[in-house]
Amino acid sequence: DGGITQSPKYLFRKEGQNVTLSCEQNLNHDAMYWYRQDPGQGLRLIYYSQIVNDFQKGDIAEGYSVSREKKESFPLTVTSAQKNPTAFYLCASRPSKGGGGNTIYFGEGSWLTVV
Amino acid sequence: QKEVEQNSGPLSVPEGAIASLNCTYSDRGSQSFFWYRQYSGKSPELIMSIYSNGDKEDGRFTAQLNKASQYVSLLIRDSQPSDSATYLCAVNLTEGGKLIFGQGTELSVKP
Repeated sequence: DGGITQSPKYLFRKEGQNVTLSCEQNLNHDAMYWYRQDPGQGLRLIYYSQIVNDFQKGDIAEGYSVSREKKESFPLTVTSAQKNPTAFYLCASRPSKGGGGNTIYFGEGSWLTVV
Repeated sequence: QKEVEQNSGPLSVPEGAIASLNCTYSDRGSQSFFWYRQYSGKSPELIMSIYSNGDKEDGRFTAQLNKASQYVSLLIRDSQPSDSATYLCAVNLTEGGKLIFGQGTELSVKP
């Protein structure tokens, strides 16, 4: 089936650890996004990538890192510098490099909890 | 000023009534606007997109866009309890490819 796959769905992180959330899409989309959602809040943009080997910081990039070595993959690393990482993380993709009117599609999300 | 603003609610309406959800944005050059519905613990799902001034209707949903006022709204007619969810407004900024969401409005439809 075509779509966006995020893994793991649930992840626990100890303080001081780096963790990586996986995002894979088989929709042949150019652009990919990572958002963070805190309880009762909207989605905040962490990083986005419009093309392979290129990505831009969103509004809350501090403490996170990404890579875009392949078109279908956009992993997000939550580093130990991110002091409050407990949240719901959503990966998304859309066909167009420039965005425009293309619809954005979401994965099912990953829940990260600091223990 | 936030790039995309919504009233957080909660907005409560009786079953069968019209629910009106509002969103304002700061980037005057924005061209694409989206409404998403999100159930608790789930990822957002697209309800409607709108690109031109005026109204766009799809079933019980109507999106309204006024670029001069930098305002976009969503009307839900004949509201049903299953419409109870958080509604997210999203705006594609003129900074290419950057899609920003509002904080969402929680809607509760009472039977």
